[in-house]
Amino acid sequence: RKEVEQDPGPFNVPEGATVAFNCTYSNSASQSFFWYRQDCRKEPKLLMSVYSSGNEDGRFTAQLNRASQYISLLIRDSKLSDSATYLCVVNSPWWNQFYFGTGTSLTVIP
Amino acid sequence: DAGVIQSPRHEVTEMGQEVTLRCKPISGHNSLFWYRQTMMRGLELLIYFNNNVPIDDSGMPEDRFSAKMPNASFSTLKIQPSEPRDSAVYFCASSLWGFHSDAEAFFGQGTRLTVV
Repeated sequence: RKEVEQDPGPFNVPEGATVAFNCTYSNSASQSFFWYRQDCRKEPKLLMSVYSSGNEDGRFTAQLNRASQYISLLIRDSKLSDSATYLCVVNSPWWNQFYFGTGTSLTVIP
Repeated sequence: DAGVIQSPRHEVTEMGQEVTLRCKPISGHNSLFWYRQTMMRGLELLIYFNNNVPIDDSGMPEDRFSAKMPNASFSTLKIQPSEPRDSAVYFCASSLWGFHSDAEAFFGQGTRLTVV
């Protein structure tokens, strides 16, 4: 079983739409959670960390459900520039392995 | 800081040749990771080091792959002999690891390897 599972999409949404991505992880001992963004032919870059209480950064909201072992990312008022692949990442400081999901592809359409 | 630096950015080689990929982590970071990315398998963790020591190499596909970290500022990933199925983008990443740390991983720009 993979450490992290994501729906690969693709998600094609119109500008202004709200879109949500979910991700599940298998190791209940995982301690740290992140969403990364990867543009075409570029390296992954941190979008936001995910905290137990949930956190928001502008149009982006991340949530963590430890009981069900899933992480979510909500994007409101989608922009064309949001088009990218979004990667879910889990890590444990105990052994510091960053495990990435396969990514969810998002295309925002004018 | 210059960030994680990888070289070369692109590599085209013939099957059977040796390939060496290089990585310079961010100064002060004590964890270094090598990943491989393909369309079919996504980002796969190959190996990672903490304080220059290899911790887990279970992701290394086979004995043709080897990685070293002789000091805190340099790491190599070597493929010998290379095969067409090794064609992929290889990323190096580094982070600051410690107990209770939730530090992120920073990626280099990657090496796009093509084996013909």
